[in-house]
Amino acid sequence: DAGITQSPRYKITETGRQVTLMCHQTWSHSYMFWYRQDLGHGLRLIYYSAAADITDKGEVPDGYVVSRSKTENFPLTLESATRSQTSVYFCASREGAASARIDTQYFGPGTRLTVL
Amino acid sequence: DAKTTQPPSMDCAEGRAANLPCNHSTISGNEYVYWYRQIHSQGPQYIIHGLKNNETNEMASLIITEDRKSSTLILPHATLRDTAVYYCIVRVAENNAGNMLTFGGGTRLMVKP
Repeated sequence: DAGITQSPRYKITETGRQVTLMCHQTWSHSYMFWYRQDLGHGLRLIYYSAAADITDKGEVPDGYVVSRSKTENFPLTLESATRSQTSVYFCASREGAASARIDTQYFGPGTRLTVL
Repeated sequence: DAKTTQPPSMDCAEGRAANLPCNHSTISGNEYVYWYRQIHSQGPQYIIHGLKNNETNEMASLIITEDRKSSTLILPHATLRDTAVYYCIVRVAENNAGNMLTFGGGTRLMVKP
């Protein structure tokens, strides 16, 4: 089905382990984003990407790594997971510069990550 | 981005119109009003946006006052599936991906049978 998907939907891991969250979109959107959502903080931007091979830090990038070798995929890696990274992670995408006046982001279903 | 103020919660009877207000008294001329919602355990969902004129799409209507200091999202025939947190966001629509969407507290809409 067309859209934006995330995997896994639920993940439990241990402190210190490496975890990769996957995000895939079928619209060929230029921009992709990773947010985390925690109680009391709302949505916070971790990293974003304007195109393949172009990524940049958001508000809370520490402890995370991203890559974007293909337009449709934007994986997020926690290199050494910590308990403070327990959260719900949302991936989003939007169209590129040609439609920049319409700042509409489309969100995936989220990944609920628990770090023990 | 301009600050927005929304009531923390509202109830609505199923089948009736849900009118969700948003105050944005410091909005500037080039800022759009966007509405998103988040149904429990799902990602945020775009609903509608506008600049000056009232807007309508298949999901909702957006009424923006003439002075643009407030707006109302209208769900014309609310269903139980419309139960969600609704976020009003005011921001400049520009090609700056680093200008992240900022979701405030929103309004928790409960649609009741």
